[in-house]
Amino acid sequence: DIQMTQSTSSLSASVGDRVAITCRASQSISSQLNWYQQKPGEAPKLLIYAASFLHSGVPSRFSGSESGTDFTLTISSIQPEDYATYYCQQAFSTPLTFGGGTKVEIK
Amino acid sequence: QVQLVQSGSEVKEPGASVKVSCKASGYTFTDYYIHWVRQAPGQGLEWMGWINPRSGGTNYAQKFQGRVTMTSDTSFSTAYMDLTRLTSNDTAVYYCARDSSSFCDSWGQGTLVTVSS
Repeated sequence: DIQMTQSTSSLSASVGDRVAITCRASQSISSQLNWYQQKPGEAPKLLIYAASFLHSGVPSRFSGSESGTDFTLTISSIQPEDYATYYCQQAFSTPLTFGGGTKVEIK
Repeated sequence: QVQLVQSGSEVKEPGASVKVSCKASGYTFTDYYIHWVRQAPGQGLEWMGWINPRSGGTNYAQKFQGRVTMTSDTSFSTAYMDLTRLTSNDTAVYYCARDSSSFCDSWGQGTLVTVSS
């Protein structure tokens, strides 16, 4: 199974900060990496697919990038509604696997 | 618009089975796979498997092999997830999600399954 590691389980940021959330795959996954946002009591929502493609309706302050097996979700200027938990997920092979999540809290 | 509506919360005793439904609307049901993902209280997301509603083909995570059955009824545009031999470790919110070319672009609202004696 492919392991997905989000080494930062939580971080604090002030409104307007640039926030970067990282995820590492245990092997090459050929850009098959998705990012989801989840708020308490809600289902996850797709933000980024295939490492860098912005899902329809998602604000442009969200972006995704990759370097080998390392992936980054960047929020250019975090807004109050962006405080949530973010999960990466590999779609290269089954079983599909998720990172442990990064909770972004208000500083 | 695309919508996935799941059945309501369930409380089950250990050893029992649960069947969760996921009714799709706003798109052609047979054109997209459905995934099932669960989330234990305070924990992360765990993939359980997928079903191809057109063919009925399935792919289950090895962890759930022998205990999970995913089915679909195209007449009702509904997918089902049946989990047997429940234990307290199966207490979780269960989500269905539509697969759109290797990413889940729409999710159900979730179904809480509580296993308790």
